[in-house]
Amino acid sequence: EAQVTQNPRYLITVTGKKLTVTCSQNMNHEYMSWYRQDPGLGLRQIYYSMNVEVTDKGDVPEGYKVSRKEKRNFPLILESPSPNQTSLYFCASSFTSGPQYFGAGTRLSVL
Amino acid sequence: AQKVTQAQTEISVVEKEDVTLDCVYETRDTTYYLFWYKQPPSGELVFLIRRNSFDEQNEISGRYSWNFQKSTSSFNFTITASQVVDSAVYFCALSDARNSGGSNYKLTFGKGTLLTVNP
Repeated sequence: EAQVTQNPRYLITVTGKKLTVTCSQNMNHEYMSWYRQDPGLGLRQIYYSMNVEVTDKGDVPEGYKVSRKEKRNFPLILESPSPNQTSLYFCASSFTSGPQYFGAGTRLSVL
Repeated sequence: AQKVTQAQTEISVVEKEDVTLDCVYETRDTTYYLFWYKQPPSGELVFLIRRNSFDEQNEISGRYSWNFQKSTSSFNFTITASQVVDSAVYFCALSDARNSGGSNYKLTFGKGTLLTVNP
């Protein structure tokens, strides 16, 4: 089954404790991206990757890191999480000219 | 800069009513894509449709239909004979080549419209 898989789905952590949210897709998509969704602000792009080893900042990259060592994986790293990073996070992937397909979301709470 | 406006924050209808969700966009690019996504209460984002700027044909898929009008920069979504399972937040999104470094990847979302269909 074609899908974008994010893990974990739910995560509660404390300020400053490094964490990684994984994202994997099995559709051989070149493009992958991370978004965060916040009430009143909608969905905003954090980082994106056009292909392996090619990443770039989206609208709200501060406090996040990404890497794209393999085509299928695009982890999101929070080196020192803060409460303002409490959010619902989505990973998405697509072919060069195709629509983006989203993972099920990761709900993160930073205490 | 590109912008997507969904002026309807919340809509409530009774089952079997038709409902139209409005979407108005702004972009300076001539090549762009428009999308609709559905976010049911379970939280995932489900792709519904993509339209490119050169194709103004309306589209119908079952009870769903989309009306794209470049003259008014609108891409409205109509659900015919709504059902309780249609209850969700619906997002309109825009992707334009100017804002994506020549590609069509970066999505700019509207704030979403919460549709509640009551039995």
